[in-house]
Amino acid sequence: KQEVTQIPAALSVPEGENLVLNCSFTDSAIYNLQWFRQDPGKGLTSLLLIQSSQREQTSGRLNASLDKSSGRSTLYIAASQPGDSATYLCAVYGQNFVFGPGTRLSVLP
Amino acid sequence: SAVISQKPSRDICQRGTSLTIQCQVDSQVTMMFWYRQQPGQSLTLIATANQGSEATYESGFVIDKFPISRPNLTFSTLTVSNMSPEDSSIYLCSVDRVAGANVLTFGAGSRLTVL
Repeated sequence: KQEVTQIPAALSVPEGENLVLNCSFTDSAIYNLQWFRQDPGKGLTSLLLIQSSQREQTSGRLNASLDKSSGRSTLYIAASQPGDSATYLCAVYGQNFVFGPGTRLSVLP
Repeated sequence: SAVISQKPSRDICQRGTSLTIQCQVDSQVTMMFWYRQQPGQSLTLIATANQGSEATYESGFVIDKFPISRPNLTFSTLTVSNMSPEDSSIYLCSVDRVAGANVLTFGAGSRLTVL
């Protein structure tokens, strides 16, 4: 059974810092991995999708990497802003979609 | 990519009542997914709704408690029946963003509070 974990559970940083969020999964037989953002009480917004054949994807200040063999993905956020404050979830698709518990990020002005 | 409209966005309900959540997609999709997110928790899949057939429920979820309709390829409803405070959650509708690509797009969610 696929299990997805995310470290750290919560993170508070001053504005402008570069930061890394981590996602680990136990079964490397996946087709893709997605990173989502969720604002409090809201739905999920897709940030980046990495197919299993890819090693990274970039969108603006966000960069996501995937090391399928080691069961890890990282989301790198450059020059963080208060508007980045949200919960970030990763989800892997293998036999089905499995979500991690999320990292709650606070960027302080 | 698909755009999903979900309503209500939030509601406060009394114990023992039922609430139906609607999910409308702007394009035809084969499968629609219903998730629950309890306070402070991650997402848990309730069921997969296919048009023209019974929904497929995940372990721990039953049709009597969470009946689902899928009358066509752009619409689905999830009913939360005989609600208790433990049902207070965000309920999310989701579809494959691109058919067959296994890439999820979500609605804005329905935040349900049961008193």
